[in-house]
Amino acid sequence: ETGVTQTPRHLVMGMTNKKSLKCEQHLGHNAMYWYKQSAKKPLELMFVYNFKEQTENNSVPSRFSPECPNSSHLFLHLHTLQPEDSALYLCASSQERTAATQYFGPGTRLLVL
Amino acid sequence: QKEVEQNSGPLSVPEGAIASLNCTYSDRVSQSFFWYRQYSGKSPELIMSIYSNGDKEDGRFTAQLNKASQYVSLLIRDSQPSDSATYLCAVNGDQGGKLIFGQGTELSVKP
Repeated sequence: ETGVTQTPRHLVMGMTNKKSLKCEQHLGHNAMYWYKQSAKKPLELMFVYNFKEQTENNSVPSRFSPECPNSSHLFLHLHTLQPEDSALYLCASSQERTAATQYFGPGTRLLVL
Repeated sequence: QKEVEQNSGPLSVPEGAIASLNCTYSDRVSQSFFWYRQYSGKSPELIMSIYSNGDKEDGRFTAQLNKASQYVSLLIRDSQPSDSATYLCAVNGDQGGKLIFGQGTELSVKP
């Protein structure tokens, strides 16, 4: 596998469910990112990890909980979400946090009922 | 004031024409500028990056940067229907790798 992969690609969950999104990068990068993309709105940066350490939390509600066990893997744990959280969740990676060129995964399309 | 602004479109051009996509940004210390293409239902794909004033050409794509005017543009020559997508402008913020995205311009190339 090459590039940045994400699973699942589609997810439907109820507001009381707990689920996790997974991202894996095969580029040897050290920085990973979670973005949220809602219809007609700019990409919103959620979290940044650099060398497994969280360096940015962009005022994200606590119902979103990231986890970065190593530089190649990034998770986003979801619990008690709201319908307005329905969106495309994109993972990206870059060589390091200060490297501006980011490469995106295919995204997880999330629908919260 | 939005940090990165783009006309949301849709911008419609005939096949073979030049498509011109524009972007303005508010942070004067921005150093790196990117254009991503996003097909419907897909993730953003980096197509151009530019770091200094002037033009940068790559095939049918030309990025133009004017830091004094805080303006960056993307020209697509000989537009093809396969160029139909949303084009996202991204600007490197003042904290290193943090990218600020515009809302994107939807481009439609008509055969």
